[in-house]
Parts: sequence; structure tokens; C-alpha cells
Amino acid sequence: DTGVSQDPRHKITKRGQNVTFRCDPISEHNRLYWYRQTLGQGPEFLTYFQNEAQLEKSRLLSDRFSAERPKGSFSTLEIQRTEQGDSAMYLCASSLGVGNDADTQYFGPGTRLTVL
Amino acid sequence: QKEVEQDPGPLSVPEGAIVSLNCTYSNSAFQYFMWYRQYSRKGPELLMYTYSSGNKEDGRFTAQVDKSSKYISLFIRDSQPSDSATYLCAMNPTWGTDKLIFGTGTRLQVFP
Repeated sequence: DTGVSQDPRHKITKRGQNVTFRCDPISEHNRLYWYRQTLGQGPEFLTYFQNEAQLEKSRLLSDRFSAERPKGSFSTLEIQRTEQGDSAMYLCASSLGVGNDADTQYFGPGTRLTVL
Repeated sequence: QKEVEQDPGPLSVPEGAIVSLNCTYSNSAFQYFMWYRQYSRKGPELLMYTYSSGNKEDGRFTAQVDKSSKYISLFIRDSQPSDSATYLCAMNPTWGTDKLIFGTGTRLQVFP
């Protein structure tokens, strides 16, 4: 399977714990995005990378959230001191990042986080 | 007011019906318009995208964009039970700003 992969698919944690998610984009895709989706809502943009550079962060991304893409390949999203309001589906997407056509984003299956 | 508005549904139709899904938006800078399909507990899957105004057809799916009215539509002909999913519209702001702005999604149920 050459699509975007995410790990883990599900994570249950207690409030106050730290969690880390991983995203592996489609090979040779330069851009990588993180979105968050809560029940009954569309995905909301969190942050994106061009290669290893983090180019934009949403105001939704509080200080407890940090994302990295150390070698311009996979990315991690860490949430420190989780809160119940962090419960959501965390989606990763990737795109080529070049060319004149729309920068089509391909999504992974998501990591569902439940904070108890 | 949200930048992109979409009726959450649910929309329930019989198999074979023509389905019309719609979104309105407020930001006139949007130029790229996409429709994603999302099955329960899965990631969104790109169905179609269009640039600026006009129509685009792909099999049973037709996307329309009316920039003057800030209104986009997705039509599904000969709907099938396998089309049952949530349909999300998404838009890019100006070219070079790559984050997608999504609607809330419309849940569609096609019954046999």
C-alpha cells in the first residue's frame, strides 16, 4: 500500500498523559499536513510542513502540541498533558507540493484519540 | 459565521436517485474546490476537484462551481448504497496557501 499511513489507529489515554502520533506520507511528497476532526465536523487545519520546515501553524495548535518532520519524511505530532477536549480524529495528509495543478492532498486513515 | 457552510444532513435517498450536495462560502479568494468522501471512521478520500467556475464530470459524479454566487455543488447520478458516506466540500484560499478549509460534511444514506 503506497498511501499515507498513520500509527496508531486508536489511542486511549488518561487526562494529563502525553501522546505521540506518527504519519508516513506518500513517497516523494514534499508537503505534509495535520488536521483535527471532531464528531460531526469537517477536518480543521493544524499545521503543515514543506520538507522538514514547519511553515504554518493554526491558532488551534496550543503550546501543548508540537509537530516535527525531522528528515522531511515521516512526521510526529505530540500532545502533552492531554485534556478531554483533545479527543478527536487526528488526520495526516500529504501532497507533492509542486506543479501548477491544485495541490491535491491525500489523507491517511487517521488516529482516533480518546482522553478519559 | 464559518467560511464554508454545508448542510450536515442526514440526507436519505432511494437507490437510483439523483443526489445534490451543496456548499456555500464567504471568501471570494477561494479558487480551488474539492469534494471528499469519508466513510465512517476512515480518512477523507478525494473525489473531484475543480478550479474556478464551471462544471466537471467524472462518471456518475458532476461538480459545479458558481463563483458569482459563492456556491458549489456535487451531483451523484444513479446513487448506490455504496455511496452512503459523509461528503465534505473543501477549498483552498489563494494559490500558494495550501491549507484546506472544509465544510462540516453532509451525511448521505442511500437505501436499497
